[in-house]
Amino acid sequence: DAGVIQSPRHEVTEMGQEVTLRCKPISGHNSLFWYRQTMMRGLELLIYFNNNVPIDDSGMPEDRFSAKMPNASFSTLKIQPSEPRDSAVYFCASSRQGARNQPQHFGDGTRLSIL
Amino acid sequence: AQRVTQPEKLLSVFKGAPVELKCNYSYSGSPELFWYVQYSRQRLQLLLRHISRESIKGFTADLNKGETSFHLKKPFAQEEDSAMYYCALSVLMEYGNKLVFGAGTILRVKS
Repeated sequence: DAGVIQSPRHEVTEMGQEVTLRCKPISGHNSLFWYRQTMMRGLELLIYFNNNVPIDDSGMPEDRFSAKMPNASFSTLKIQPSEPRDSAVYFCASSRQGARNQPQHFGDGTRLSIL
Repeated sequence: AQRVTQPEKLLSVFKGAPVELKCNYSYSGSPELFWYVQYSRQRLQLLLRHISRESIKGFTADLNKGETSFHLKKPFAQEEDSAMYYCALSVLMEYGNKLVFGAGTILRVKS
């Protein structure tokens, strides 16, 4: 398996622009997680989906952030409008639900820079 | 409330020295714990999970329910062990489960 695939790997854009991050989970995994990693705040869970349904979005910082999972093999995280403080590395992870000892598998991340 | 505490932001040791990365948790249920490692500018990778009771890359971790700890240990550090280490707790939710991560500890192994 190719693992969790994220795109783009790097994104540099000007503030105010819309940013869309993409994730393809591992085939057969039915849970998907979006995280944000910064030096100041470490690793933060933004939102997670179970069977394509958003379960907990309490970590989404503001209404400017939205996430969708239209099918089992694709998810997006959108920021509109983007701000410099959104600059971070965004990770997607997937896991097979059913037992709590199932680990999450992470993608390579998207390094986002908002100028 | 569920919480994972990694008290050290940075741990610096010499090559060949023993390593112990501390992790304490708070959880009312039965704990399921993991250690993840992140090498420079790479993805987080699962290092080990307590249920497996295995040793990966010379690292071990024992769950101590009395002390609510899951410290990561290695008897002889190597330079390639330099990385960020995260301890994580699996928390059961109404639908599925999620991981609660500690703040992470940077391990720096000096030659």
